[in-house]
Amino acid sequence: DTEVTQTPKHLVMGMTNKKSLKCEQHMGHRAMYWYKQKAKKPPELMFVYSYEKLSINESVPSRFSPECPNSSLLNLHLHALQPEDSALYLCASSQVLVTQSSYNEQFFGPGTRLTVL
Amino acid sequence: AQSVTQPDIHITVSEGASLELRCNYSYGATPYLFWYVQSPGQGLQLLLKYFSGDTLVQGIKGFEAEFKRSQSSFNLRKPSVHWSDAAEYFCAVGPPGGKLIFGQGTELSVKP
Repeated sequence: DTEVTQTPKHLVMGMTNKKSLKCEQHMGHRAMYWYKQKAKKPPELMFVYSYEKLSINESVPSRFSPECPNSSLLNLHLHALQPEDSALYLCASSQVLVTQSSYNEQFFGPGTRLTVL
Repeated sequence: AQSVTQPDIHITVSEGASLELRCNYSYGATPYLFWYVQSPGQGLQLLLKYFSGDTLVQGIKGFEAEFKRSQSSFNLRKPSVHWSDAAEYFCAVGPPGGKLIFGQGTELSVKP
């Protein structure tokens, strides 16, 4: 299985809602990532988990709350979002994060298209 | 600082014509280099990667890229473009254990 899956594919939410995005991989990868991508722009890194621990937080607002309950799952909890948070949210995974000689080839999921009204 | 530049925001080529997408990087050591492709509304798919060794790298879908250290470039090429190649292409550099740094992307359109 060389796939990263993301659910839901599309999500529409109001600014007062609480919702969650889910990401799953069964490649035995121990690093998982959340990216935000606006139209016609490259992905922007939000969070990185390494061995189920938060390793990098790119100064993301607290209305985004990541969670890594096990080595295969990564969630992104959303609360009190703003319309400007509407974007494609991509999950990715890679074998490991930190070694001297490893590469960080990342495998991406198809994304969740989020619209905040 | 590490950075990636894709000078061409948008390129249009005719179907069957050759393609070259440019990528220049700034990085202190030998970088890990990647090309990803993204179809509209989809995630990113890895086309090819360079870590070391042979500077001409073969990828999927008939793409290849050449690493030129002297020019800090990693240009993507394809000898004959198909209509299905129309997509957004991202070059990225990835230091060991670090985060990927993407270029701004090049949108490829293919004329019939």
